[in-house]
Amino acid sequence: GAGVSQSPSNKVTEKGKDVELRCDPISGHTALYWYRQSLGQGLEFLIYFQGNSAPDKSGLPSDRFSAERTGGSVSTLTIQRTQQEDSAVYLCASSPTGDSYEQYFGPGTRLTVT
Amino acid sequence: AQSVTQLDSQVPVFEEAPVELRCNYSSSVSVYLFWYVQYPNQGLQLLLKYLSGSTLVKGINGFEAEFNKSQTSFHLRKPSVHISDTAEYFCAVTPDLTGGGNKLTFGTGTQLKVEL
Repeated sequence: GAGVSQSPSNKVTEKGKDVELRCDPISGHTALYWYRQSLGQGLEFLIYFQGNSAPDKSGLPSDRFSAERTGGSVSTLTIQRTQQEDSAVYLCASSPTGDSYEQYFGPGTRLTVT
Repeated sequence: AQSVTQLDSQVPVFEEAPVELRCNYSSSVSVYLFWYVQYPNQGLQLLLKYLSGSTLVKGINGFEAEFNKSQTSFHLRKPSVHISDTAEYFCAVTPDLTGGGNKLTFGTGTQLKVEL
């Protein structure tokens, strides 16, 4: 079956612009996670969704970062007023339920802020 | 809070040789442990996990890992590597807590380079 998909695969943006990154989880998976992979910080958790609600936003680095999930499916991560330190690969993962330990990762979106 | 240490950033090894990638963790609560592999320009793929039971767990592609609670370690091993095993390997933990999801805390990764 189809895995987790993310779009775009690459995004280059100018400092100060807003960007939206999209994640399509595996159909039927209720849990969705966003992570960031950067040279300086490694792999970091950003936010967790169970259905459409986000009970854990503890990893969002600043209020410029927000995310939403609609219909219990697609999720969008929005970064406002991008900074160069936002350059990273943003990974999305989904899981059958919030109690499941298996997370299935998408290929990521590589964001470059110039 | 949890933390994961992967002391080796790079491990070069010849094809058909054995390999061990080290992982140590720190946590004030019980944790579940995972190894993920990342091939170039791809997402993460689960290799194996330890949730409970036998401390020796077997995963895909011939990899295995042993959970050692006293040493807080979860080292990954393969008796004979192949050139296709060249990738980055991440150790990760999640706390044994009910509710609230299972966010992963990752180590910094170990680049395994298999040479002919």
